[in-house]
Amino acid sequence: AQSVTQLDSQVPVFEEAPVELRCNYSSSVSVYLFWYVQYPNQGLQLLLKYLSGSTLVESINGFEAEFNKSQTSFHLRKPSVHISDTAEYFCAVTVSGGSYIPTFGRGTSLIVHP
Amino acid sequence: NAGVTQTPKFQVLKTGQSMTLQCAQDMNHNSMYWYRQDPGMGLRLIYYSASEGTTDKGEVPNGYNVSRLNKREFSLRLESAAPSQTSVYFCASSPGTDPSTDTQYFGPGTRLTVL
Repeated sequence: AQSVTQLDSQVPVFEEAPVELRCNYSSSVSVYLFWYVQYPNQGLQLLLKYLSGSTLVESINGFEAEFNKSQTSFHLRKPSVHISDTAEYFCAVTVSGGSYIPTFGRGTSLIVHP
Repeated sequence: NAGVTQTPKFQVLKTGQSMTLQCAQDMNHNSMYWYRQDPGMGLRLIYYSASEGTTDKGEVPNGYNVSRLNKREFSLRLESAAPSQTSVYFCASSPGTDPSTDTQYFGPGTRLTVL
């Protein structure tokens, strides 16, 4: 079974600074990868996902993630964060071709300071 | 379009009491899910339903039952609540029947405390 590790439980950063939220997975087969965001007191919503094709995936609000098969990683980056990006970010992984439900990581709390 | 709605938003139970968490979606989605979210644990799947009339156990099904009443509604029942079931419960839905690629749409959650 696949598993996903989010190494940082909390990432504090100042507004307009760059940020990287790390996600590593363990699977010996092809995978699909997701990032979800949870704003305070809300449910999760999809930020971006990798299914196939280009290994660089972008979201509409400036985040991007790169699938690195050799490193088994799918790190999330943003070159300049805003206060409004303060939220919990969850990485999720599933094995391709098997109709499996994604497994979620434990989450990383991004705290943007003014 | 309300998306995924959950009731109640908050609930306090005593050990041994029972209750049902309600979930409904108005997006004509086929698949529905119940998760629990605990601090430091992320989301863990309790039950999943790929279509009306079908349900499957997830990672942590013990102490819970579900019912996919129709395409819109998917309820979660705690027959005899325990303090270990104190958590935030999220319902989600996705359009197709292949959960590995579908985007999941989440409700706002139910915060449950069991004393």
